[in-house]
Amino acid sequence: AQSVTQLDSQVPVFEEAPVELRCNYSSSVSVYLFWYVQYPNQGLQLLLKYLSGSTLVKGINGFEAEFNKSQTSFHLRKPSVHISDTAEYFCAVSELTSGTYKYIFGTGTRLKVLA
Amino acid sequence: DTAVSQTPKYLVTQMGNDKSIKCEQNLGHDTMYWYKQDSKKFLKIMFSYNNKELIINETVPNRFSPKSPDKAHLNLHINSLELGDSAVYFCASSTPSGRAGTDTQYFGPGTRLTVL
Repeated sequence: AQSVTQLDSQVPVFEEAPVELRCNYSSSVSVYLFWYVQYPNQGLQLLLKYLSGSTLVKGINGFEAEFNKSQTSFHLRKPSVHISDTAEYFCAVSELTSGTYKYIFGTGTRLKVLA
Repeated sequence: DTAVSQTPKYLVTQMGNDKSIKCEQNLGHDTMYWYKQDSKKFLKIMFSYNNKELIINETVPNRFSPKSPDKAHLNLHINSLELGDSAVYFCASSTPSGRAGTDTQYFGPGTRLTVL
């Protein structure tokens, strides 16, 4: 079974500084990877996803992520964060089980942007 | 024009009670899901329905029974509530994007269930 590891449970960063949120997954033949964001008291929404092709994926709100097959990583980055980026960020992998795909989520990273 | 809506937003109840959470999506999606998010923010799938048919049923106690009256609705009924059922429950929906396993899921705002 797939697993997703987000090593950092919390990441504090000052406004306008760059940030990287780390995600590692267990290897598989084919991998579909996702980053979702959860703002306080809201549901999750998709930031970006990697399906195939270019390893650098651009998403909404200035976020991007790089798929690295050799390191089984899919780290999320933003060059300059804003206070409004404060949220919980979840990495997920889509896993095929018994003929059906389902998401396996990491444990989340809380990004706290400081003024 | 909320895409995925859930009711109620908060639910506080006593152990042993039976309760339901309702979910509706107006996106025209074929597939709907229930997720449980525990106090440590860990998010795990419970059920998935495609066109009213159950396709994913994780190892969830049979006190939890999903029901899909039509493809726009997926309700979750919980019998004999226990303290450990306290969590945030998220409904989500998706539609096939052409390649299996790549669908974007759209999540509702969550229902915070507290069992006393």
